[in-house]
Amino acid sequence: DVKVTQSSRYLVKRTGEKVFLECVQDMDHENMFWYRQDPGLGLRLIYFSYDVKMKEKGDIPEGYSVSREKKERFSLILESASTNQTSMYLCASSPWRGANEQFFGPGTRLTVL
Amino acid sequence: DQQVKQNSPSLSVQEGRISILNCDYTNSMFDYFLWYKKYPAEGPTFLISISSIKDKNEDGRFTVFLNKSAKHLSLHIVPSQPGDSAVYFCAAKRPSGTYKYIFGTGTRLKVLA
Repeated sequence: DVKVTQSSRYLVKRTGEKVFLECVQDMDHENMFWYRQDPGLGLRLIYFSYDVKMKEKGDIPEGYSVSREKKERFSLILESASTNQTSMYLCASSPWRGANEQFFGPGTRLTVL
Repeated sequence: DQQVKQNSPSLSVQEGRISILNCDYTNSMFDYFLWYKKYPAEGPTFLISISSIKDKNEDGRFTVFLNKSAKHLSLHIVPSQPGDSAVYFCAAKRPSGTYKYIFGTGTRLKVLA
């Protein structure tokens, strides 16, 4: 079974803090994704990566950056957290470039005070 | 601009009956569609998919129908079971060559015993 793990289930941070969300997948998948899920808006893509050190912006990259130094790990960074970044963050991976199915982690509920 | 819409936020169905979840999209260039199921405190899990060249795909109790002229897809669950109670997201894959998916806002299905 593919396993996608996220470092925290719940996180509370203060405005202006730098926040790191970590995601690890154990199936040697090429692609990794970061989404945020908000009520009434579904899942929105923040960034994705199709290879180590490669990244592309999704639909809502503003205020976020990412890092993929190893194939199995994809980090989402909030350089200076703001209250409008309070959300559920979901990491996903997929096996190869053309794969359709994504495998999701359990999510991190981030609250920025 | 919501390109993938799930207009029903919630749906209640009696156990044993059919559940029909609907999804509308605006971009005729989408070439693949997926349905994911999400339980509370878990990430979405893949349920069933359909290519734009087909109009039906079946997997056990789950069938997805695609009506390209109406830009509409639906997920049928027959018979519905209490364990099917979850939030269901439809997702559309953007045209070939990208890895980007657009998710709907989700429909919460409650199957009543």
